[in-house]
Amino acid sequence: AQKVTQAQTEISVVEKEDVTLDCVYETRDTTYYLFWYKQPPSGELVFLIRRNSFDEQNEISGRYSWNFQKSTSSFNFTITASQVVDSAVYFCALRGVSGGSNYKLTFGKGTLLTVNP
Amino acid sequence: DTAVSQTPKYLVTQMGNDKSIKCEQNLGHDTMYWYKQDSKKFLKIMFSYNNKELIINETVPNRFSPKSPDKAHLNLHINSLELGDSAVYFCASSATAGSPNEQFFGPGTRLTVL
Repeated sequence: AQKVTQAQTEISVVEKEDVTLDCVYETRDTTYYLFWYKQPPSGELVFLIRRNSFDEQNEISGRYSWNFQKSTSSFNFTITASQVVDSAVYFCALRGVSGGSNYKLTFGKGTLLTVNP
Repeated sequence: DTAVSQTPKYLVTQMGNDKSIKCEQNLGHDTMYWYKQDSKKFLKIMFSYNNKELIINETVPNRFSPKSPDKAHLNLHINSLELGDSAVYFCASSATAGSPNEQFFGPGTRLTVL
């Protein structure tokens, strides 16, 4: 069975602070994919990043960066110099490749990030 | 152009009624999904179709029945609505079931059962 844990239910920071959102996953698959999605107050789900299990390189996109560590089964997300517009619920998700139900996205429970001015 | 669209955006109805939510994608994707997001924001897969064939059917009451008339459409029909069905329902699509590509989500349908 696949499982994604986002232990931080809510985080509140002041604008310009850096913030890291934690994600820990469990899977028996040797090949899998990890994702982060953002859900702003307007409600839509916005794709942020996909990472496959063979690529442990960290990724940076503007103020966003991701740290994938297979040894600890973690895929953490850092926002540098946070802005009010970053306020949203962030979801980490896991997807397998072995067919059937493994094609679904298994989501963590999400972390509500509030960035205060 | 909207990639994944859902109608209606809001649906308020009485217990016991039957309702449908429609989903369409214009991305040329083969695979479509229905997810349910409860009041605590937890997202859970309900169904998935690949080229009109059901490939994922999680533990969902029989009152929920998906229908895929073609690979661009996946509708969700709910019979005998119950209070616990109140949630936001998201449709999503991806290129193919086995590809690693991300899933694109529709705007969601907020269902309220009174």
